[in-house]
Amino acid sequence: GAGVSQSPSNKVTEKGKDVELRCDPISGHTALYWYRQSLGQGLEFLIYFQGNSAPDKSGLPSDRFSAERTGGSVSTLTIQRTQQEDSAVYLCASSPDRGRGNTIYFGEGSWLTVV
Amino acid sequence: ILNVEQSPQSLHVQEGDSTNFTCSFPSSNFYALHWYRWETAKSPEALFVMTLNGDEKKKGRISATLNTKEGYSYLYIKGSQPEDSATYLCAFKAAGNKLTFGGGTRVLVKP
Repeated sequence: GAGVSQSPSNKVTEKGKDVELRCDPISGHTALYWYRQSLGQGLEFLIYFQGNSAPDKSGLPSDRFSAERTGGSVSTLTIQRTQQEDSAVYLCASSPDRGRGNTIYFGEGSWLTVV
Repeated sequence: ILNVEQSPQSLHVQEGDSTNFTCSFPSSNFYALHWYRWETAKSPEALFVMTLNGDEKKKGRISATLNTKEGYSYLYIKGSQPEDSATYLCAFKAAGNKLTFGGGTRVLVKP
């Protein structure tokens, strides 16, 4: 399809293991966001990529979290040594450009459960 | 840190009634204000992007207003229906900056 694609859609992992979440944005979209929502919480910003600019990593909760965006397209969010508090739905979104009226388009999320 | 606040956190509405709720955001360095609708087990869906003070947008029974000088936006639902039950998110964008979301208003429409 033409939307934002995320994988896996569901992941159950053991505490202490590493996980990788993938986001394939809409073709041509230069801006890419990662957010997460923990149970009962709002949308929490994690990281923002805009074109070739340095990413805004100010929302990453700890150094166990990192993200890359290769070739300005696909992005991978990596969580090392997962903890139970990392359990959440991780949402990726993309947007065409810096234009003022542009909305962002969300994927369906990756549901992570750390047991 | 940008403060984007939504109130109330949740509300129950009787089918057929109209309702509204608020998003407040910084009044300086305004670039755009977004509204999204998020149903359980689905991805957030864009409702409106508002960029000008005094903007009013409408989509069916849902409308929104924007006051950038005082830093607030209202979302209105007219004649609420059960299918309007969702979490409504606003998000503020400052110039050259990321989109910052509020905590959402969870709306439950009771038949």
